[in-house]
Amino acid sequence: QQNVQQSPESLIVPEGARTSLNCTFSDSASQYFWWYRQHSGKAPKALMSIFSNGEKEEGRFTIHLNKASLHFSLHIRDSQPSDSALYLCAVQWGGRALIFGTGTTVSVSP
Amino acid sequence: EAAVTQSPRNKVTVTGGNVTLSCRQTNSHNYMYWYRQDTGHGLRLIHYSYGAGNLQIGDVPDGYKATRTTQEDFFLLLELASPSQTSLYFCASSDAGTNNYAEQFFGPGTRLTVL
Repeated sequence: QQNVQQSPESLIVPEGARTSLNCTFSDSASQYFWWYRQHSGKAPKALMSIFSNGEKEEGRFTIHLNKASLHFSLHIRDSQPSDSALYLCAVQWGGRALIFGTGTTVSVSP
Repeated sequence: EAAVTQSPRNKVTVTGGNVTLSCRQTNSHNYMYWYRQDTGHGLRLIHYSYGAGNLQIGDVPDGYKATRTTQEDFFLLLELASPSQTSLYFCASSDAGTNNYAEQFFGPGTRLTVL
């Protein structure tokens, strides 16, 4: 059974700061790695995905993936109040559906 | 963007009651999913389907049945609801190929309370 864990559970960051969210997974056969973002009272929505080792940048958001370490992360630079949300990492492998982590709540303070 | 709708948006029932949650997607996606979301547990997969008449068991299936009647419609059934099934339920769809790599689009959610 795939085990996907996130850290920290929550964090408060000042506006304009950089923040990092972590996700670990247990199955080395995992193939695709996602970050979803869920604003309060809303549905989760895909933010970014990656499927090969390394780094991928889209605007203020960057994903790092290290399959050997069973770890990937999301980095947000120049954090904005609109980034306040629940961030969910998710892993896919072997044609199965996404397995989500427990989430990190980010609060950006003006 | 994919359109996924859910009904009802809120539901209150009593222990032992029957509940049906409905989900419809209008973008001809082949895969549909049911998740529950609880504080501290993230999103947990209940059941999913890759087409009409197909059903795949997820990670927390106990106490739930599901049925995919058409490409568009996926239903979640709780035949003997229990308080432990009080949760926020999300439906999602995706246009996944054989490797199942595709963004999932979520509906707005149904909040279910079992008294």
